Amino acid sequence: GQNIDQPTEMTATEGAIVQINCTYQTSGFNGLFWYQQHAGEAPTFLSYNVLDGLEEKGRFSSFLSRSKGYSYLLLKELQMKDSASYLCAVRGRGVTGGGNKLTFGTGTQLKVEL
Amino acid sequence: DAGVTQSPTHLIKTRGQQVTLRCSPISGHKSVSWYQQVLGQGPQFIFQYYEKEERGRGNFPDRFSARQFPNYSSELNVNALLLGDSALYLCASSFPGQGATTQYFGPGTRLLVL
Repeated sequence: GQNIDQPTEMTATEGAIVQINCTYQTSGFNGLFWYQQHAGEAPTFLSYNVLDGLEEKGRFSSFLSRSKGYSYLLLKELQMKDSASYLCAVRGRGVTGGGNKLTFGTGTQLKVEL
Repeated sequence: DAGVTQSPTHLIKTRGQQVTLRCSPISGHKSVSWYQQVLGQGPQFIFQYYEKEERGRGNFPDRFSARQFPNYSSELNVNALLLGDSALYLCASSFPGQGATTQYFGPGTRLLVL
């Protein structure tokens, strides 16, 4: 099975940097995803890591350490619109055809304040 | 290009009834997955379909079933509805073969069971 842990809530100030951590234990690993979800909306894809290291995409970066079962999402130059839930999801090995099963954490609710 | 579409957007049912939810994937995507998201939790995997065949099933009772059509659209059926089935039902599509096989989510169907 798979178990994913991330903090429930975080608060940060507009313009600042925030790091959202995610730890996981899995019986198989085939990539880690971060999604952003605004209240009442669908999750939107932010980043994907399958190898160790840092992936940078504009204001968002994601880091993965497979040996430690650890990832983080880094958000820079925070804006009010970044207030949302951030979901860490691990893809397990298995079925063919792509789009393998994702196991999600409960999400970290980020609140950006002035 | 149109994203993943789902219908209906909202639905109210009573206990014991049956419901059918529909999903159309992004054009060119052949894999569809269904997730259930209860308020305050991350999405939970229900099914994955690829090329009209079930490729994965989550820990849900047999009251939940799904199918995929030749045009890659999909339906999720839930029989004998329970109050606990109230949730946001998300459909995600992906294009097998791409390195990331990222899943892209539709807006969801919000189901309320009374």
